[in-house]
Amino acid sequence: QKEVEQNSGPLSVPEGAIASLNCTYSDRGSQSFFWYRQYSGKSPELIMSIYSNGDKEDGRFTAQLNKASQYVSLLIRDSQPSDSATYLCAVGGNEKLTFGTGTRLTIIP
Amino acid sequence: NAGVTQTPKFRILKIGQSMTLQCTQDMNHNYMYWYRQDPGMGLKLIYYSVGAGITDKGEVPNGYNVSRSTTEDFPLRLELAAPSQTSVYFCASTGRGGQETQYFGPGTRLLVL
Repeated sequence: QKEVEQNSGPLSVPEGAIASLNCTYSDRGSQSFFWYRQYSGKSPELIMSIYSNGDKEDGRFTAQLNKASQYVSLLIRDSQPSDSATYLCAVGGNEKLTFGTGTRLTIIP
Repeated sequence: NAGVTQTPKFRILKIGQSMTLQCTQDMNHNYMYWYRQDPGMGLKLIYYSVGAGITDKGEVPNGYNVSRSTTEDFPLRLELAAPSQTSVYFCASTGRGGQETQYFGPGTRLLVL
């Protein structure tokens, strides 16, 4: 069974610092990778998608993918209180995504 | 575009009752999914569909049924509700299966007593 594992957290980071979220996956053939943010009581929303090895930057967010190590990460620079949420890593197969259990991030003002 | 809509938002069921959770998308997506999320946990796939008339089981299908008669609608049926089905249910859709992001509905919170 395909597995996606995330650092369990919870993770607390001071405002303005860099938050680092990590995810490993078991299916070496996976081709698509996603980070979702989920506020309490809300549905998941896409933060970043990445398909190729290396870094992908979007504003304060950077996704990093290393297929050889089966590892994907999300860096949040200049963390803001509004970044406090649960972050879900998802790995794509042909027809569906497999989600990790999520990492709860709290930004401390 | 409304995106993905779900009804109801919240429901209380008694043990043994049945209900249907409704999901509709207006993005002409072929792929649709039902997940459940228990407190502090990730998303577990219940059922999914790759197009009208085609459905398949996810990792936790027991106690649920689905149908997909149109591209837009993907209802989830709970038969003989049990306390273990207390959860938040999310419907999602996408155009290209696991290759692109899924768009989620607002969720249905279900409490079985």
